[in-house]
Amino acid sequence: DAGVIQSPRHEVTEMGQEVTLRCKPISGHNSLFWYRQTMMRGLELLIYFNNNVPIDDSGMPEDRFSAKMPNASFSTLKIQPSEPRDSAVYFCASSLGRNTIYFGEGSWLTVV
Amino acid sequence: GDSVTQMEGPVTLSEEAFLTINCTYTATGYPSLFWYVQYPGEGLQLLLKATKADDKGSNKGFEATYRKETTSFHLEKGSVQVSDSAVYFCAPRAAGRRALTFGSGTRLQVQP
Repeated sequence: DAGVIQSPRHEVTEMGQEVTLRCKPISGHNSLFWYRQTMMRGLELLIYFNNNVPIDDSGMPEDRFSAKMPNASFSTLKIQPSEPRDSAVYFCASSLGRNTIYFGEGSWLTVV
Repeated sequence: GDSVTQMEGPVTLSEEAFLTINCTYTATGYPSLFWYVQYPGEGLQLLLKATKADDKGSNKGFEATYRKETTSFHLEKGSVQVSDSAVYFCAPRAAGRRALTFGSGTRLQVQP
């Protein structure tokens, strides 16, 4: 079975550029999560959706970050403009209700 | 809010040694408790879970018991292998909430 699919796996971009990270959750799952992992702050929840509706976006660091889920099989996390401090691994994860949360392999972002 | 305290790493052990990684938590209501593992360059994978007091989660030789009175969920394994080298995350999920709150992670290094 296909797991959570994220793209790109690796992205290097210049400061000020727009970055779009993509996620395809596991088919049938109705909750989707975006996490960010850094050495300094560990794993932080950025936002999560339930049935395509954002439920908790309190972890989104600032207005430069936005996330959408236009349908049950696709979500994006956008950073505009990007800054070096946004360099991190961004994980998408999905679950069916309160069952096990499955993670993608992450998008490794470097902003130079 | 929810929080997790994990023992500092890295933990370095010889093969076949006994492993304990301590985890204590604070969470709203009656949480479910999880351990996730992250191998180098990969996403997080569920290792084991427990959903009520005194439950023992187990998988691949790892065990953890939900101790409500001490708000702890310590991870143990009787005999570690080199292939167990990874970062281990303790994560409670508060009642009524879908997202996980992650600890800082504990890096385990097993030497042959």
